[in-house]
Amino acid sequence: DAGVIQSPRHEVTEMGQEVTLRCKPISGHNSLFWYRQTMMRGLELLIYFNNNVPIDDSGMPEDRFSAKMPNASFSTLKIQPSEPRDSAVYFCASTRLAGADEQFFGPGTRLTVL
Amino acid sequence: KNQVEQSPQSLIILEGKNCTLQCNYTVSPFSNLRWYKQDTGRGPVSLTIMTFSENTKSNGRYTATLDADTKQSSLHITASQLSDSASYICVVSARAAGNKLTFGGGTRVLVKP
Repeated sequence: DAGVIQSPRHEVTEMGQEVTLRCKPISGHNSLFWYRQTMMRGLELLIYFNNNVPIDDSGMPEDRFSAKMPNASFSTLKIQPSEPRDSAVYFCASTRLAGADEQFFGPGTRLTVL
Repeated sequence: KNQVEQSPQSLIILEGKNCTLQCNYTVSPFSNLRWYKQDTGRGPVSLTIMTFSENTKSNGRYTATLDADTKQSSLHITASQLSDSASYICVVSARAAGNKLTFGGGTRVLVKP
């Protein structure tokens, strides 16, 4: 298996633009997680899905952030409009069962908003 | 409020030496505790996972301990190698709806030759 796949690996955009990050979880995994990592705040859980259904989005910072999982093999995290403080590395992770199992992380998307 | 505190924030050790990283948590009710290794520019990779009844678990040169009474965990690295240079993150899961994870801030380890 190729593991969790994220795209793009790097994104540089200007303030106010829409940004879409993509994630393909490991086949057969039922739970998918979006995280944000910064030097100041470390790793933060933004939202997670179980069987394509959003379970906990309490970590989503504000309405500018939205996430979807239209099917078991694809998820997006969208920021509209983007702001410089959104600059961070965004990780996607998947697991067979939320909570008990090991989470497998993707390589991350490094987002820079100018 | 659930919290995970790690210490030290960073440390430098010489190749071949041992070191121990600490993790204190206030997550309740406790489900499990994991240690992740994160190389620069990569996603975290799981090293160990321990439940309430386990007090030690090893993965090669990495040994994690758990004291559920004092709510403390440690990660011991034996005979460090240059490839051990990374951030080590302690993550605690709460035994509640969704088993929500609480992340520590990590310890950055630099192994020097």
